[in-house]
Parts: sequence; structure tokens; C-alpha cells
Amino acid sequence: QKEVEQNSGPLSVPEGAIASLNCTYSDRVSQSFFWYRQYSGKSPELIMSIYSNGDKEDGRFTAQLNKASQYVSLLIRDSQPSDSATYLCAVHGAGRRALTFGSGTRLQVQP
Amino acid sequence: KAGVTQTPRYLIKTRGQQVTLSCSPISGHRSVSWYQQTPGQGLQFLFEYFSETQRNKGNFPGRFSGRQFSNSRSEMNVSTLELGDSALYLCASSSEREADTQYFGPGTRLTVL
Repeated sequence: QKEVEQNSGPLSVPEGAIASLNCTYSDRVSQSFFWYRQYSGKSPELIMSIYSNGDKEDGRFTAQLNKASQYVSLLIRDSQPSDSATYLCAVHGAGRRALTFGSGTRLQVQP
Repeated sequence: KAGVTQTPRYLIKTRGQQVTLSCSPISGHRSVSWYQQTPGQGLQFLFEYFSETQRNKGNFPGRFSGRQFSNSRSEMNVSTLELGDSALYLCASSSEREADTQYFGPGTRLTVL
């Protein structure tokens, strides 16, 4: 079992819709959770971090964390074609000084 | 504040050669981590340096090494290059205040022929 799992996609949504990206992780003691966006040929860009159970909102983005279910999600409201990218879920475990990344979900927003 | 910078941005080498990549972290950041990204394996952790000391290491062969200087700049070296070393090499830095939050540089695209 991979430590961080994501559906590779592509996830296709129409412009203006809500995109929902999901991630599960295996290490129960993981403490910090991150979503990065990566455009083709570019490096990952930090979008959101979340540390506590519940929702965290930042503009059009909402991160959701459920530690009991070992589940993290990212909602993108009012999706725009410029949101088309690969979204990487990353987890920072207790005592580790490295991020473990999922393989990423490719999002396509159709105009 | 300037972001993480990496040089060179692109490199072409042949098998058996060695290569050195450089990374300058965000000003004030003392932790530097290196990652390898390939289409097949995704993003994989190589190693992390803090105050010139390697604090953590991923599962890569000894051909991959690194170091950090007193100004927090870091270099990684790959010796005896193999075709499978072709990848995007990413450097990320973090501050002590937000140790878990890593900011990535633009990467160095290495092609091994």
C-alpha cells in the first residue's frame, strides 16, 4: 500500500463547477498535510496546509481533513481553466523531516 | 522576498559522468530538502540539510550525495550517472518557524544520454 494515495485522473469539470480532489494516507501519526499545484513543466506550488480536523478555507480553495478516516481533500469552487494542473497531496509524518507525496491528480477544467 | 533558486535549470549529461546541482533557499530559511521527480515514481525525497548537517535521508543509492554551506546554500551531486537518473530535481526550503512547510524552487531538469 502506498503511503499517500490519490486518484491519477484526469478529473474533468466544467468551468464554474466545484472540483473535488481526494487523498488518503496510511501513517496514522501524520501531523501536517499539504496541497501543491503543479503546472506541466513547472515546480510544485503550495496552495494550502491543514493541521487539524475540519475545514480550512482560503479564497476559492477549501481543504478538509479527517484524521480518523486518514483522509484529506481539496475543494476548488468556481473552477477556472487556469486551475487545470496536477494537484499533489503531501503528508508530513511525526518525527520525519520529509514530505511524502501522492502521485497527483490531474485536473482539467473545460471552458 | 526572493524564492528558492536553482542552477542550472537544464543539464544534459552522458552515462558515467557526474553532475552537481545548486540550490539557494529563501532568505532566512535554514532547511533545504532535495527531491527527485520522475513520471514513473513521482516525487521522492532524497535528503534534507539543516545547519550544514544532513538530518534525514531517503532511499537512494550512495551515488547521490549533498552538502550545505554556512550560508544555507546547498548542492547535490550525482556520480556515475545512469539513464534512470534523468529527472526533475527539486530543492525546497523551510523556516524554523514553519518547519513542515516547504517551498519549492523551479527545479533542474537533468537528461542523461
